[in-house]
Amino acid sequence: DTGVSQDPRHKITKRGQNVTFRCDPISEHNRLYWYRQTLGQGPEFLTYFQNEAQLEKSRLLSDRFSAERPKGSFSTLEIQRTEQGDSAMYLCASSAAGTGEVTGELFFGEGSRLTVL
Amino acid sequence: GENVEQHPSTLSVQEGDSAVIKCTYSDSASNYFPWYKQELGKGPQLIIDIRSNVGEKKDQRIAVTLNKTAKHFSLHITETQPEDSAVYFCAASISGGGNKLTFGTGTQLKVEL
Repeated sequence: DTGVSQDPRHKITKRGQNVTFRCDPISEHNRLYWYRQTLGQGPEFLTYFQNEAQLEKSRLLSDRFSAERPKGSFSTLEIQRTEQGDSAMYLCASSAAGTGEVTGELFFGEGSRLTVL
Repeated sequence: GENVEQHPSTLSVQEGDSAVIKCTYSDSASNYFPWYKQELGKGPQLIIDIRSNVGEKKDQRIAVTLNKTAKHFSLHITETQPEDSAVYFCAASISGGGNKLTFGTGTQLKVEL
Protein backbone atom coordinates (compact mmCIF):
# COMPACT_ATOMS: atom_id res chain seq x y z
CA ASP A 1 0.00 0.00 0.00
CA THR A 2 1.59 3.29 -1.07
CA GLY A 3 -1.02 5.62 0.41
CA VAL A 4 -0.88 7.76 3.55
CA SER A 5 -0.58 5.58 6.63
CA GLN A 6 -1.67 6.54 10.15
CA ASP A 7 -1.13 4.80 13.46
CA PRO A 8 -2.87 3.97 15.68
CA ARG A 9 -6.28 3.87 14.05
CA HIS A 10 -8.02 4.10 17.39
CA LYS A 11 -6.88 5.38 20.76
CA ILE A 12 -8.86 5.51 23.98
CA THR A 13 -7.27 7.40 26.83
CA LYS A 14 -8.14 8.98 30.14
CA ARG A 15 -8.29 12.71 30.58
CA GLY A 16 -4.90 14.15 31.45
CA GLN A 17 -2.87 11.51 29.64
CA ASN A 18 -0.58 12.22 26.70
CA VAL A 19 -1.12 10.64 23.29
CA THR A 20 0.95 10.54 20.13
CA PHE A 21 -0.13 9.81 16.57
CA ARG A 22 2.13 8.94 13.68
CA CYS A 23 1.69 9.63 9.99
CA ASP A 24 3.67 8.21 7.11
CA PRO A 25 2.98 10.20 3.93
CA ILE A 26 3.23 9.08 0.34
CA SER A 27 6.97 8.75 -0.14
CA GLU A 28 7.51 11.35 -2.86
CA HIS A 29 5.31 13.99 -1.19
CA ASN A 30 7.11 16.86 0.51
CA ARG A 31 4.06 18.45 2.12
CA LEU A 32 2.31 16.93 5.12
CA TYR A 33 -0.85 18.20 6.80
CA TRP A 34 -2.73 17.48 10.00
CA TYR A 35 -6.48 18.04 10.19
CA ARG A 36 -9.01 17.38 12.92
CA GLN A 37 -12.54 16.17 12.25
CA THR A 38 -15.33 16.02 14.79
CA LEU A 39 -18.56 14.15 14.28
CA GLY A 40 -20.77 15.66 11.61
CA GLN A 41 -18.23 18.28 10.59
CA GLY A 42 -15.70 18.75 7.84
CA PRO A 43 -11.99 18.43 8.55
CA GLU A 44 -10.36 21.50 10.12
CA PHE A 45 -6.78 22.47 9.32
CA LEU A 46 -4.31 22.19 12.21
CA THR A 47 -0.81 22.52 10.74
CA TYR A 48 1.37 21.67 7.78
CA PHE A 49 4.98 20.94 6.95
CA GLN A 50 7.02 21.40 3.84
CA ASN A 51 9.83 18.90 4.21
CA GLU A 52 10.88 19.24 7.86
CA ALA A 53 9.78 22.85 8.27
CA GLN A 54 6.47 23.55 10.03
CA LEU A 55 5.18 26.44 7.97
CA GLU A 56 1.84 27.21 9.55
CA LYS A 57 -0.19 26.42 12.63
CA SER A 58 -3.89 27.04 13.13
CA ARG A 59 -5.30 28.80 16.16
CA LEU A 60 -6.94 25.43 16.88
CA LEU A 61 -3.51 24.05 17.72
CA SER A 62 -3.24 24.97 21.40
CA ASP A 63 0.03 24.77 23.31
CA ARG A 64 -0.91 21.24 24.39
CA PHE A 65 -0.49 20.14 20.78
CA SER A 66 2.86 19.68 19.11
CA ALA A 67 3.70 18.30 15.71
CA GLU A 68 7.06 17.31 14.32
CA ARG A 69 8.50 16.05 11.08
CA PRO A 70 12.17 15.66 12.00
CA LYS A 71 13.54 14.16 8.81
CA GLY A 72 11.01 15.42 6.36
CA SER A 73 9.39 12.00 6.08
CA PHE A 74 7.01 10.73 8.80
CA SER A 75 5.33 13.09 11.24
CA THR A 76 4.04 12.83 14.81
CA LEU A 77 1.26 14.75 16.49
CA GLU A 78 1.37 14.77 20.27
CA ILE A 79 -1.41 15.94 22.54
CA GLN A 80 -0.44 16.56 26.14
CA ARG A 81 -2.83 16.56 29.09
CA THR A 82 -5.74 15.42 26.95
CA GLU A 83 -9.20 16.86 27.52
CA GLN A 84 -12.57 15.44 26.55
CA GLY A 85 -12.86 18.14 23.90
CA ASP A 86 -9.87 16.64 22.13
CA SER A 87 -11.95 13.62 21.15
CA ALA A 88 -11.98 13.63 17.36
CA MET A 89 -10.59 12.00 14.26
CA TYR A 90 -7.08 13.24 13.50
CA LEU A 91 -6.40 13.10 9.79
CA CYS A 92 -3.08 13.28 8.06
CA ALA A 93 -2.70 14.23 4.41
CA SER A 94 0.20 14.66 2.05
CA SER A 95 0.80 16.35 -1.27
CA ALA A 96 3.51 17.23 -3.67
CA ALA A 97 4.18 20.94 -3.71
CA GLY A 98 2.63 22.39 -6.82
CA THR A 99 4.60 24.19 -9.49
CA GLY A 100 3.85 27.83 -10.03
CA GLU A 101 0.23 28.50 -9.27
CA VAL A 102 -0.80 24.86 -9.48
CA THR A 103 -1.90 23.41 -6.16
CA GLY A 104 -0.94 19.83 -5.41
CA GLU A 105 -3.76 17.46 -4.58
CA LEU A 106 -4.13 16.35 -0.97
CA PHE A 107 -4.32 12.64 -0.25
CA PHE A 108 -5.71 11.71 3.15
CA GLY A 109 -5.00 8.78 5.40
CA GLU A 110 -7.68 6.77 7.18
CA GLY A 111 -7.30 8.83 10.34
CA SER A 112 -6.61 8.19 14.01
CA ARG A 113 -9.72 8.31 16.16
CA LEU A 114 -9.13 9.63 19.67
CA THR A 115 -11.58 9.10 22.52
CA VAL A 116 -10.82 10.87 25.78
CA LEU A 117 -12.76 9.50 28.76
CA GLY B 1 -10.35 33.70 6.76
CA GLU B 2 -12.17 31.56 4.25
CA ASN B 3 -15.65 30.28 5.04
CA VAL B 4 -17.30 27.54 3.02
CA GLU B 5 -21.00 26.78 3.28
CA GLN B 6 -22.49 23.58 1.91
CA HIS B 7 -26.07 22.55 1.17
CA PRO B 8 -27.98 20.37 1.64
CA SER B 9 -26.76 18.58 4.74
CA THR B 10 -28.64 15.42 3.73
CA LEU B 11 -29.80 14.28 0.31
CA SER B 12 -31.78 11.21 -0.57
CA VAL B 13 -32.26 10.17 -4.20
CA GLN B 14 -33.52 7.16 -6.06
CA GLU B 15 -31.00 5.00 -7.87
CA GLY B 16 -30.47 6.37 -11.36
CA ASP B 17 -31.47 9.92 -10.46
CA SER B 18 -29.09 12.86 -10.34
CA ALA B 19 -27.74 14.50 -7.19
CA VAL B 20 -26.55 18.08 -6.84
CA ILE B 21 -24.61 19.52 -3.91
CA LYS B 22 -23.88 23.23 -3.70
CA CYS B 23 -21.19 25.22 -1.93
CA THR B 24 -20.41 28.89 -1.53
CA TYR B 25 -17.12 30.43 -0.46
CA SER B 26 -16.27 33.82 0.96
CA ASP B 27 -12.68 34.57 -0.06
CA SER B 28 -12.45 35.76 -3.66
CA ALA B 29 -8.75 34.82 -3.65
CA SER B 30 -9.61 31.11 -3.42
CA ASN B 31 -8.76 29.39 -6.67
CA TYR B 32 -8.77 25.65 -6.00
CA PHE B 33 -11.96 23.71 -5.24
CA PRO B 34 -11.77 19.97 -4.58
CA TRP B 35 -14.57 17.59 -3.68
CA TYR B 36 -14.03 14.67 -1.33
CA LYS B 37 -16.05 11.54 -0.65
CA GLN B 38 -15.85 10.04 2.81
CA GLU B 39 -17.17 6.62 3.66
CA LEU B 40 -17.85 5.55 7.23
CA GLY B 41 -14.66 5.05 9.20
CA LYS B 42 -12.41 6.13 6.35
CA GLY B 43 -10.48 9.21 5.38
CA PRO B 44 -11.72 11.64 2.71
CA GLN B 45 -10.99 10.60 -0.86
CA LEU B 46 -10.57 13.16 -3.64
CA ILE B 47 -13.11 12.55 -6.39
CA ILE B 48 -12.80 15.66 -8.55
CA ASP B 49 -11.41 19.16 -8.37
CA ILE B 50 -11.63 22.37 -10.33
CA ARG B 51 -9.36 25.38 -10.58
CA SER B 52 -10.50 28.93 -11.05
CA ASN B 53 -9.38 29.16 -14.66
CA VAL B 54 -12.18 26.82 -15.81
CA GLY B 55 -15.92 26.89 -15.32
CA GLU B 56 -16.73 23.21 -15.58
CA LYS B 57 -15.02 19.85 -15.36
CA LYS B 58 -16.42 16.39 -15.94
CA ASP B 59 -15.22 12.90 -15.12
CA GLN B 60 -17.61 10.14 -16.16
CA ARG B 61 -20.73 10.49 -13.96
CA ILE B 62 -19.31 13.34 -11.90
CA ALA B 63 -19.11 16.99 -12.88
CA VAL B 64 -18.26 20.18 -11.05
CA THR B 65 -19.19 23.73 -12.03
CA LEU B 66 -17.68 26.96 -10.75
CA ASN B 67 -19.12 30.47 -10.79
CA LYS B 68 -16.38 32.81 -9.65
CA THR B 69 -18.55 35.89 -9.81
CA ALA B 70 -21.12 34.43 -7.46
CA LYS B 71 -18.47 32.52 -5.50
CA HIS B 72 -20.23 29.22 -5.64
CA PHE B 73 -19.48 25.78 -7.02
CA SER B 74 -21.51 22.62 -7.35
CA LEU B 75 -21.06 18.87 -7.61
CA HIS B 76 -23.30 16.95 -9.98
CA ILE B 77 -23.58 13.17 -9.88
CA THR B 78 -25.63 11.56 -12.64
CA GLU B 79 -27.05 8.04 -12.79
CA THR B 80 -26.52 7.57 -9.07
CA GLN B 81 -25.72 4.11 -7.73
CA PRO B 82 -25.94 2.69 -4.19
CA GLU B 83 -22.14 2.83 -3.91
CA ASP B 84 -22.34 6.61 -4.28
CA SER B 85 -23.88 6.71 -0.79
CA ALA B 86 -21.39 8.54 1.45
CA VAL B 87 -20.64 11.96 2.91
CA TYR B 88 -19.40 14.49 0.37
CA PHE B 89 -17.33 17.53 1.31
CA CYS B 90 -16.49 20.56 -0.75
CA ALA B 91 -13.40 22.59 0.03
CA ALA B 92 -11.59 25.72 -1.07
CA SER B 93 -8.02 26.93 -0.90
CA ILE B 94 -5.60 29.47 -2.31
CA SER B 95 -2.69 28.32 -4.42
CA GLY B 96 0.55 29.50 -2.88
CA GLY B 97 -1.05 29.43 0.56
CA GLY B 98 0.20 25.95 1.33
CA ASN B 99 -3.04 24.44 0.03
CA LYS B 100 -4.74 24.70 3.40
CA LEU B 101 -8.19 23.46 2.60
CA THR B 102 -11.26 24.97 4.22
CA PHE B 103 -14.01 22.37 4.15
CA GLY B 104 -17.77 22.64 4.08
CA THR B 105 -19.83 20.82 6.68
CA GLY B 106 -20.62 17.88 4.41
CA THR B 107 -23.62 16.34 2.65
CA GLN B 108 -24.84 12.87 3.57
CA LEU B 109 -25.95 11.35 0.28
CA LYS B 110 -28.16 8.29 0.36
CA VAL B 111 -28.98 6.50 -2.86
CA GLU B 112 -32.04 4.33 -2.41
CA LEU B 113 -32.86 1.27 -4.45
